[in-house]
Amino acid sequence: DQQVKQNSPSLSVQEGRISILNCDYTNSMFDYFLWYKKYPAEGPTFLISISSIKDKNEDGRFTVFLNKSAKHLSLHIVPSQPGDSAVYFCAASAMDSSYKLIFGSGTRLLVRP
Amino acid sequence: GAGVSQSPRYKVAKRGQDVALRCDPISGHVSLFWYQQALGQGPEFLTYFQNEAQLDKSGLPSDRFFAERPEGSVSTLKIQRTQQEDSAVYLCASSAPAGGRDTQYFGPGTRLTVL
Repeated sequence: DQQVKQNSPSLSVQEGRISILNCDYTNSMFDYFLWYKKYPAEGPTFLISISSIKDKNEDGRFTVFLNKSAKHLSLHIVPSQPGDSAVYFCAASAMDSSYKLIFGSGTRLLVRP
Repeated sequence: GAGVSQSPRYKVAKRGQDVALRCDPISGHVSLFWYQQALGQGPEFLTYFQNEAQLDKSGLPSDRFFAERPEGSVSTLKIQRTQQEDSAVYLCASSAPAGGRDTQYFGPGTRLTVL
């Protein structure tokens, strides 16, 4: 039973355009959400997070939106750059669960020059 | 400063061998996590330490898996009698606060291949 789902295995966008990566979750106890970026042969690198008391968090080119009623979050990257090409993982945690992260299966983003 | 380091980066084991994977967390980080990442999947939680105390080991797949953090710093994940299904990347992550909500910082992982 996948509690965090990333239904798009891959996404290709033109440099300079917006990239939108989506994530759905099923566990209503999740109250903290994160996005990580992963390059080959490296560990996941933290990008941005959002608490369930917010519906938006912005950091430079990266914005995460949270829709609690739909149990959906998205990561917007604008403008997209070729160096953003990587696998992006959505992750969630619940306060009462040792803060372990539950990850989606990832979306591979390709930003074309 | 130094990030999370893991060793070895790559490990090849014959089925039935025991392996030990090491994690050096960021200095001063209280919380330490181990995850297992199969090919094409996201990381899956294995176990969690707060200092030297193992507070959650619910993700360990079998009693062949054992983790320790005896002095509250370096941690070792041991897999006994390795099986082919143990082949995966093993990721270690650390975070600063005890019992608080904070970002987990990941190491580069150890890729284990069991032949």
